[in-house]
Amino acid sequence: AQRVTQPEKLLSVFKGAPVELKCNYSYSGSPELFWYVQYSRQRLQLLLRHISRESIKGFTADLNKGETSFHLKKPFAQEEDSAMYYCALNTDKLIFGTGTRLQVFP
Amino acid sequence: SAVISQKPSRDICQRGTSLTIQCQVDSQVTMMFWYRQQPGQSLTLIATANQGSEATYESGFVIDKFPISRPNLTFSTLTVSNMSPEDSSIYLCSVAGDRRPYEQYFGPGTRLTVT
Repeated sequence: AQRVTQPEKLLSVFKGAPVELKCNYSYSGSPELFWYVQYSRQRLQLLLRHISRESIKGFTADLNKGETSFHLKKPFAQEEDSAMYYCALNTDKLIFGTGTRLQVFP
Repeated sequence: SAVISQKPSRDICQRGTSLTIQCQVDSQVTMMFWYRQQPGQSLTLIATANQGSEATYESGFVIDKFPISRPNLTFSTLTVSNMSPEDSSIYLCSVAGDRRPYEQYFGPGTRLTVT
């Protein structure tokens, strides 16, 4: 079955601490994965796509096919990173994980 | 990325009535999608609306309850019919890019409360 798992509902860190938001997927084909972010009172927006291997707002995510993971990382969290983060798998449709709320305390 | 707007942004409706949500895009797009996000939950795809063809509904969603129109490449509507309190959700439309990996861009959502 095609599935995206985000095991943490809530992740709380202090400013300056490293952050890793976990995402695991289940898919028999070649995965296309994304991270979306939703800041308070804003629309859902695309943060990262695995195919681009980019760094956006200091965040990176590496696809690990062996572990079927696409964890989102940032070495030094900022307060403005506080938001809801969704991992998504694109098959013939976009399948979302349940999301992780990141809280960054000052 | 496309600029997507939705109307209304929110509404409070009585059970048994229907509400039509509009989604407008500032450029022509082939693929549009409608999602539901129930309180505290993730996004669930309702249907895919491609211009020139009937909408394709996901399991658990039917055309009689959620009729969709896609009259052109920049506009779509979703109607929530015969509403009940369980339909209280945020409804979002999205569009997909034309090339792989077909990432999607989302509208601001319509917050619906059914009393």
